[in-house]
Amino acid sequence: VQLVQSGAEVKKPGDSLKISCQGSGYSFSNYWIGWVRQMPGTGLEWMGIIYPGDADTRYSPSFQGHVTISADKSISTAYLQWSSLKASDTAMYYCARFRTMVTTLETFDIWGQGTMVTVSS
Amino acid sequence: DIQMTQSPSTLSASVGDRVTITCRASQNIRSWLAWFQHKPGQAPKLLIYKASSLESGVPSRFSGSGSGTEFTLTISSLQPDDFATYYCQQYDNYMYTFGQGTKLEIK
Repeated sequence: VQLVQSGAEVKKPGDSLKISCQGSGYSFSNYWIGWVRQMPGTGLEWMGIIYPGDADTRYSPSFQGHVTISADKSISTAYLQWSSLKASDTAMYYCARFRTMVTTLETFDIWGQGTMVTVSS
Repeated sequence: DIQMTQSPSTLSASVGDRVTITCRASQNIRSWLAWFQHKPGQAPKLLIYKASSLESGVPSRFSGSGSGTEFTLTISSLQPDDFATYYCQQYDNYMYTFGQGTKLEIK
């Protein structure tokens, strides 16, 4: 069981970006996947979760409207997307899977390796 | 929003010490609390879920307790590999808020 994330990105303010998280070794459609941000020198922040089976998505109020979470169950991949990046989006982004199937009363047991996003002019 | 507050923010300890980290929730989260260990350059690692259940493969020197609004993570005898940052996380009511973290340093 693993989650493999796309590689590091260097972008300019105003650019768009879509990073990915591919699951393997388990039934991808049946486990919620979440995204977690860690800005330089700070702690972990939950951004949102998606259920790949039906694309049900829940966002943290702090990130609602700033990012888009999606998934393509046919290729076992979840995505985190920005339409217009800001310097303050510079951070490490992790995807992570819930421990058990279906329920939202769960936490994350399997984590991706992280994708570093740097936004600088 | 549910706020999670950890204490202390930094903890200095020696190998072999028993240490306790506290996490307080701003409202009742029942037992929906997890603890993670995070080291630089690595993904966070789940240690405890549902307040006191030890994740598979995690050493038994780690234990969790509490319910409602107050929770603790205890490491019974610190090992060199345990120096890291620890986060609590609540997962009640479609929210998955992390505490601000406790950095465990070598004294």
